[in-house]
Amino acid sequence: DTGVSQNPRHKITKRGQNVTFRCDPISEHNRLYWYRQTLGQGPEFLTYFQNEAQLEKSRLLSDRFSAERPKGSFSTLEIQRTEQGDSAMYLCASRSGVGAISGYTFGSGTRLTVV
Amino acid sequence: AQKITQTQPGMFVQEKEAVTLDCTYDTSDQSYGLFWYKQPSSGEMIFLIYQGSYDEQNATEGRYSLNFQKARKSANLVISASQLGDSAMYFCAIRGSRLTFGEGTQLTVNP
Repeated sequence: DTGVSQNPRHKITKRGQNVTFRCDPISEHNRLYWYRQTLGQGPEFLTYFQNEAQLEKSRLLSDRFSAERPKGSFSTLEIQRTEQGDSAMYLCASRSGVGAISGYTFGSGTRLTVV
Repeated sequence: AQKITQTQPGMFVQEKEAVTLDCTYDTSDQSYGLFWYKQPSSGEMIFLIYQGSYDEQNATEGRYSLNFQKARKSANLVISASQLGDSAMYFCAIRGSRLTFGEGTQLTVNP
């Protein structure tokens, strides 16, 4: 068990470019979450998967954002036509979903800077 | 909808003293869970402590304890014997279908 892994750790991109982030959850965890965190704020929910099914999406997830979890294991978050307002830390978390107190384990995040 | 309010943007404490970080919540759910996470400058979110809404006793984990007052809808984090390494952002969160976070409290431990 190596925890939740996110790649890349940092990404600098020019406005208008597309970017894709990857999250590898803990292997036995069937639930996976994406959050966005801007400087000085708490994480904001973006979307959530149970196995390969995307069960919930925030209204923050505009049509430029898309997330997938094709085989119920790793997940990708793509942002198309990036804008400066997309600059943030993107956090991924996973949990097993078994038991009321199953904790959420977070990755170290991907910090996106749009210039 | 669920909401977390953390009214202390920043807190300062002397090393070895105790500190309380405030958290109030709002939910219409009968069953819910409350979490506290620590986020150092490196950015990772570190789980500290959990309290279930039906738990009769306040949760404790080492130097961390959660002062849960259900009628007041508060779930304050108490850190005893503060250490320099406790300096970080602290987030309170409530679990529904997913976690909803507050805006956090920046704790600074002074030597």
